[in-house]
Amino acid sequence: ETGVTQTPRHLVMGMTNKKSLKCEQHLGHNAMYWYKQSAKKPLELMFVYNFKEQTENNSVPSRFSPECPNSSHLFLHLHTLQPEDSALYLCASSQEGTGGSYEQYFGPGTRLTVT
Amino acid sequence: GQNIDQPTEMTATEGAIVQINCTYQTSGFNGLFWYQQHAGEAPTFLSYNVLDGLEEKGRFSSFLSRSKGYSYLLLKELQMKDSASYLCAVMDSNYQLIWGAGTKLIIKP
Repeated sequence: ETGVTQTPRHLVMGMTNKKSLKCEQHLGHNAMYWYKQSAKKPLELMFVYNFKEQTENNSVPSRFSPECPNSSHLFLHLHTLQPEDSALYLCASSQEGTGGSYEQYFGPGTRLTVT
Repeated sequence: GQNIDQPTEMTATEGAIVQINCTYQTSGFNGLFWYQQHAGEAPTFLSYNVLDGLEEKGRFSSFLSRSKGYSYLLLKELQMKDSASYLCAVMDSNYQLIWGAGTKLIIKP
């Protein structure tokens, strides 16, 4: 595997379900991100992890819970979602700090539909 | 607040040239990125500008004017495969990316 991978690619879940999205980066980067992408809207940054520590939480509802067990893996745990949470969820990674380019590399995304 | 503006949609003809504009107002500036996103796929990096001027990379060029809060992406010799959304993003003083909503580019034969 190369780059940034995400599973599953598509997910349909009911409002009472619990599911998790997985992201893995094979680039040796030190920062990972979760974004939400809705049609015709800017990418919304949800969470940032730098060296496994959460550094940003942009007022995301508690029904979204991130987990970063190591610098290569990132999870987004979902529970009691709402229909408006239906969107494309993108994971990205980058190399931050001295010598880092800050360029973000994206995974293919998980298309989430909440019914 | 922080704001990135770019046109919602543009149409151009195969073989022609198109310029996609981006204006920004952000808290600090640590560079401007352009990404390409084909439908149903991940955004992919195109260019990065941190100093004023034009950066050329094959058929694609990106221009920056920090004093005007303005950038453009220039695509030459358009091909059908260039049909995609083009995302402008600015890195603010906290090294966070502020994203525009993207410009959907439609290429016609």
